[in-house]
Amino acid sequence: SAVISQKPSRDICQRGTSLTIQCQVDSQVTMMFWYRQQPGQSLTLIATANQGSEATYESGFVIDKFPISRPNLTFSTLTVSNMSPEDSSIYLCSVRDSRSGANVLTFGAGSRLTVL
Amino acid sequence: SQQGEEDPQALSIQEGENATMNCSYKTSINNLQWYRQNSGRGLVHLILIRSNEREKHSGRLRVTLDTSKKSSSLLITASRAADTASYFCATAAQGGSEKLVFGKGMKLTVNP
Repeated sequence: SAVISQKPSRDICQRGTSLTIQCQVDSQVTMMFWYRQQPGQSLTLIATANQGSEATYESGFVIDKFPISRPNLTFSTLTVSNMSPEDSSIYLCSVRDSRSGANVLTFGAGSRLTVL
Repeated sequence: SQQGEEDPQALSIQEGENATMNCSYKTSINNLQWYRQNSGRGLVHLILIRSNEREKHSGRLRVTLDTSKKSSSLLITASRAADTASYFCATAAQGGSEKLVFGKGMKLTVNP
């Protein structure tokens, strides 16, 4: 399956600042998925990033808060803008496992953000 | 919106014992998957069961699916300390959606 590198692995940020998370995949993929996992909670899909088009955001998530870039088929970034303590979460990127023939996901190790 | 709900929320067992986790969901699905997460890291796919399957095995894992009850169970046999992790079920809705909806997760602790 694909290997995904995410960075930063963790960061401590100040309220009001923005942070960009990078996700690099070792193979070309059509869709990349960004998830948020709040402390002790499950994963919630933020958006689906397609190369060459605008990301598709889920209910409750907006582009102004979570702008996404997808410049090519192996890379994507998620920015968490104007952060507040409520944004403290693990952010995970994932891609579909092309070998599975189904929508099995491979995940990066995640980026743990703490907002003070 | 989330639809998978695992129970119990947390389970602590001794090495060698079996661990059973249950997952319930709300809508019709194409498949149901189980993932493991170690210490707040990325998730790792364990097993997938399709809506027309009732039981599936993979090593020490056994998963069942009851679509009439909209529920699934994951059994880990002969548990090991290394099985300590959080386990999530995830569902893919009918219609070929690429999106997975994850349940709340269950924390399994296997004591040596």
